[in-house]
Amino acid sequence: AQSVTQLDSHVSVSEGTPVLLRCNYSSSYSPSLFWYVQHPNKGLQLLLKYTSAATLVKGINGFEAEFKKSETSFHLTKPSAHMSDAAEYFCVVTLPGGYQKVTFGTGTKLQVIP
Amino acid sequence: DAMVIQNPRYQVTQFGKPVTLSCSQTLNHNVMYWYQQKSSQAPKLLFHYYDKDFNNEADTPDNFQSRRPNTSFCFLDIRSPGLGDAAMYLCATSRGPSNEKLFFGSGTQLSVL
Repeated sequence: AQSVTQLDSHVSVSEGTPVLLRCNYSSSYSPSLFWYVQHPNKGLQLLLKYTSAATLVKGINGFEAEFKKSETSFHLTKPSAHMSDAAEYFCVVTLPGGYQKVTFGTGTKLQVIP
Repeated sequence: DAMVIQNPRYQVTQFGKPVTLSCSQTLNHNVMYWYQQKSSQAPKLLFHYYDKDFNNEADTPDNFQSRRPNTSFCFLDIRSPGLGDAAMYLCATSRGPSNEKLFFGSGTQLSVL
């Protein structure tokens, strides 16, 4: 079984300040981990993906995430928030092999204050 | 350049009146998924097709059906929509069944009157 916990339902930052969106997972196997972003009334777009290669993963739009097995975490960060980053972010875990079993976190809504 | 296309963008139906949502893809991906997303919630997987093999999630109501006539198209049929079925419906694809990233369409926002 697997699960994903996004620790904050809402995060508010000022433009130009760092962003931290937290995600913890549990999985019986070595998981693949993803972050997706969803802008209002849009579909989800992949930000980045971890699949057991480098533990620090760089994604689009300046986002990156670090896989920490000892902490079972995959937190998303960005050094400097931009207004266009305001959106909802979902942490996702999948199991290897067989039919893809995808588990979504409950999402974190990021607000960027000018 | 849209790769996963959902039509229509907004759909309004009446309580109990059957409705069909459509999804097409230009990626030639093997797997197609339907997700239901209610306001401020995570997407919830309803079912998926791996090629022609249909896989229903255990808690998907019987009211929801799906068809995949060919690789490119997949349909979501709601036989008798209730007020609780009002949601955003997201179609997604992936190349294979394992550890693959998902490509999402823009979704269809369904309203039930």
